[in-house]
Amino acid sequence: GQQLNQSPQSMFIQEGEDVSMNCTSSSIFNTWLWYKQDPGEGPVLLIALYKAGELTSNGRLTAQFGITRKDSFLNISASIPSDVGIYFCAGLRFGNEKLTFGTGTRLTIIP
Amino acid sequence: EAQVTQNPRYLITVTGKKLTVTCSQNMNHEYMSWYRQDPGLGLRQIYYSMNVEVTDKGDVPEGYKVSRKEKRNFPLILESPSPNQTSLYFCASSLGLAGGTQYFGPGTRLTVL
Repeated sequence: GQQLNQSPQSMFIQEGEDVSMNCTSSSIFNTWLWYKQDPGEGPVLLIALYKAGELTSNGRLTAQFGITRKDSFLNISASIPSDVGIYFCAGLRFGNEKLTFGTGTRLTIIP
Repeated sequence: EAQVTQNPRYLITVTGKKLTVTCSQNMNHEYMSWYRQDPGLGLRQIYYSMNVEVTDKGDVPEGYKVSRKEKRNFPLILESPSPNQTSLYFCASSLGLAGGTQYFGPGTRLTVL
C-alpha cells in the first residue's frame, strides 16, 4: 500500500526554535491529518485539514493543506521540551475508508 | 473516561503459537482499525471495520485475522505468528473515518521468537 513521504525523518533542535516538516504524495488526498506520538503511547490527533489551501492553528502549531492536495505542512513555533516525540501526517481520500500514514518525523530537543 | 484499551501491552511468544490481542473502546464508535508500527515505516493499517460484522483488509493483512462481533471489541488474531510479525501494534477507533478523530490505544509490543 502507498505511504506518504514525510521529511525530515528526524530533527535535532534547541528549545525555542521553530520547526517545519512536510508530507508529500503522488496522489491527491481530500483530508490531511497531523498526529503526535509520545514515547510509549499511541498517536494523538493534533490538527485536521479538510480543504485545499486551508491553514489551521492549534496553539503553537500551524498546519496547511497544500493547494495541489498532494502535500501538507506542519509548523511548530517556539518549541518547548514537551514537543519531543514523533509527528505523523495522514491522508484520507473520499470513498476510501483507510488512512494512509507518513513515515514520521522524530523531533528531539537539545538541552 | 473515553478510551481505547489493548491487552496485553507486552507479549513474547514463539513461532506458530496462536495469539489474540484484544481491543475495546467505550465510545460507541462504529469504525475500528488495527495498525502496526515498524521503524522507518510509520503506521501501516492491517484491518479495519466499519461496523459490527463488517471488516476489510488494510495495507498489510497477510498473517492476521480480525472479528467484529460486538461494536466495542475488535480483536486481532495471529493464527501462526512468525518473526516478521514482531512489531508494535495499535488499535484505533473513531465515530466515522472521514474527518473523525481516531483515538488510539496504548499499543501492544509483540515479539515473536
